[in-house]
Amino acid sequence: DTGVSQDPRHKITKRGQNVTFRCDPISEHNRLYWYRQTLGQGPEFLTYFQNEAQLEKSRLLSDRFSAERPKGSFSTLEIQRTEQGDSAMYLCASSSLQGTTDTQYFGPGTRLTVL
Amino acid sequence: AQKITQTQPGMFVQEKEAVTLDCTYDTSDPSYGLFWYKQPSSGEMIFLIYQGSYDQQNATEGRYSLNFQKARKSANLVISASQLGDSAMYFCAMSLRGSTLGRLYFGRGTQLTVWP
Repeated sequence: DTGVSQDPRHKITKRGQNVTFRCDPISEHNRLYWYRQTLGQGPEFLTYFQNEAQLEKSRLLSDRFSAERPKGSFSTLEIQRTEQGDSAMYLCASSSLQGTTDTQYFGPGTRLTVL
Repeated sequence: AQKITQTQPGMFVQEKEAVTLDCTYDTSDPSYGLFWYKQPSSGEMIFLIYQGSYDQQNATEGRYSLNFQKARKSANLVISASQLGDSAMYFCAMSLRGSTLGRLYFGRGTQLTVWP
């Protein structure tokens, strides 16, 4: 069973540039989540998809951030006009509701550094 | 507001000993799920164990058990027979309404170090 994969694993960019990250969930999972984790903190929720529908967005997701999940498969997270404060680990997770349990399985993350 | 508190920034345990990592939570929702994840230095979050708010028994998964005390709103992780490979960051997390709504709320984590 293939786990959640993310690409790239590391990204270094200059302030003001746009970046795009990709997440491929576990194949039978219909739910997909994005989180952001800064140094010394736990992950913070950004957004959530069920199939192709984006059902929930955090206030952390400013206008510079956009996420898509076309056809309910892989997802992309784009950050426009990056700022130094965007430097963080971006984690993707996927899940499938089993009864009342919805365990999220995480990918390896994309570490973004904005210079 | 939902909140997870992990008061131990770091814990140390000798190999083969048991260790308890503390977690308290705050929610007014009667239906919720509690999770523990392990994050090694490589960065990936690894699911360890789950406890639902209506579960009567404490959850166990191999060497991991969750000491769930609902009245105290605590969900401590117990790792028995610690191994060197258990050294990592451990996060407690909560989801609402039995996990059906999605997002996880995480604590700040506890760094566990296992020494020989």
